[in-house]
Amino acid sequence: EPEVTQTPSHQVTQMGQEVILRCVPISNHLYFYWYRQILGQKVEFLVSFYNNEISEKSEIFDDQFSVERPDGSNFTLKIRSTKLEDSAMYFCASRDRAAGELFFGEGSRLTVL
Amino acid sequence: ILNVEQSPQSLHVQEGDSTNFTCSFPSSNFYALHWYRWETAKSPEALFVMTLNGDEKKKGRISATLNTKEGYSYLYIKGSQPEDSATYLCAFSPSGSARQLTFGSGTQLTVLP
Repeated sequence: EPEVTQTPSHQVTQMGQEVILRCVPISNHLYFYWYRQILGQKVEFLVSFYNNEISEKSEIFDDQFSVERPDGSNFTLKIRSTKLEDSAMYFCASRDRAAGELFFGEGSRLTVL
Repeated sequence: ILNVEQSPQSLHVQEGDSTNFTCSFPSSNFYALHWYRWETAKSPEALFVMTLNGDEKKKGRISATLNTKEGYSYLYIKGSQPEDSATYLCAFSPSGSARQLTFGSGTQLTVLP
């Protein structure tokens, strides 16, 4: 069964460092998302991406964040200069239509020291 | 800010018991309500996507109902089994912003053998 894959599963970084989280969505899906969950809090929307551009983003998704779909298969989330409060589990998700169910990856745990 | 609330926060039941939990969401600008099942160390998996007031959906022993006028959905599990142990998340999608989901904090279900 097709699945969304994410790498790395866990990354530890120093505050101020750049981090890139990678995702391979399901191949025929058109809509791509990043969500995150800070420990003990709700899953939060970060950004949605369609037709090679950002379609929506939350207040969390400031200038330190960017997304890219560089080669038609990977979908990346970059954090330019990490802060302690960026420590969270980051989930990539995709779907084949705008209002269908989301298919999630297993997440990338980011720890910022 | 959209408020999606789930109750109870956690629940312990005996194998064979039936159980239900609640998701409440804004009753205005409704587009869709999603239910996801999230096992530890795995990715959230979609159970249902519901769009119409009065919708009832069923998948095996799990079913869900939707009341968009009063802003709530119930998830029912009949004859709980240990493998049903997971966190059950609901997520609300408003009209005009169908791409992003606002999640509740989840109900953590533990089924004791």
